[in-house]
Amino acid sequence: AQSVTQPDIHITVSEGASLELRCNYSYGATPYLFWYVQSPGQGLQLLLKYFSGDTLVQGIKGFEAEFKRSQSSFNLRKPSVHWSDAAEYFCAVGAGGTASKLTFGTGTRLQVTL
Amino acid sequence: DAEITQSPRHKITETGRQVTLACHQTWNHNNMFWYRQDLGHGLRLIHYSYGVQDTNKGEVSDGYSVSRSNTEDLPLTLESAASSQTSVYFCASSDSVGFSGYTFGSGTRLTVV
Repeated sequence: AQSVTQPDIHITVSEGASLELRCNYSYGATPYLFWYVQSPGQGLQLLLKYFSGDTLVQGIKGFEAEFKRSQSSFNLRKPSVHWSDAAEYFCAVGAGGTASKLTFGTGTRLQVTL
Repeated sequence: DAEITQSPRHKITETGRQVTLACHQTWNHNNMFWYRQDLGHGLRLIHYSYGVQDTNKGEVSDGYSVSRSNTEDLPLTLESAASSQTSVYFCASSDSVGFSGYTFGSGTRLTVV
């Protein structure tokens, strides 16, 4: 069965600092990987996704993530964090195909200090 | 514009009552999913459907049921609400052709007292 681990429950960074959120997955084949962001009281919005090809993927809001098969990781990065990036971030893994369901990590809450 | 809507946004109910949460999507997606979100657990899959008349149990399906009579709707029913079912519930949908991830509703916050 597929699984996702987000080892950091809560991260605090200063505005303008760089950010890296960790995600490790477990899946037998090449996974479909996603990062979602959830602002308080809102649903989840897709930031970026990886299916195949270039292992560095670009997303919305200046985020990027790198797929590293050897480390079973899909870490999310941003070079300079803005106060509006404060939210909860979820990594998810799926099998792909026409009938795929996603397994989510427990989330990382990002706090941004001014 | 296509969308996925959940109703109600907030609901308080009493233990033992039957409750139904609505999910309606206009994306014409075949796949629909119900998750619950709890602190420390992330999102956990309750039930899902890959098309009309198809329903499947997820990892936390006990006490919940769904039915799919058309493409647009997947209502989630709590047969006899329990305090352990106090949670935020999210509905999501996805296309069955060229999977590109989920589109989520805004969620329903359910409190069972």
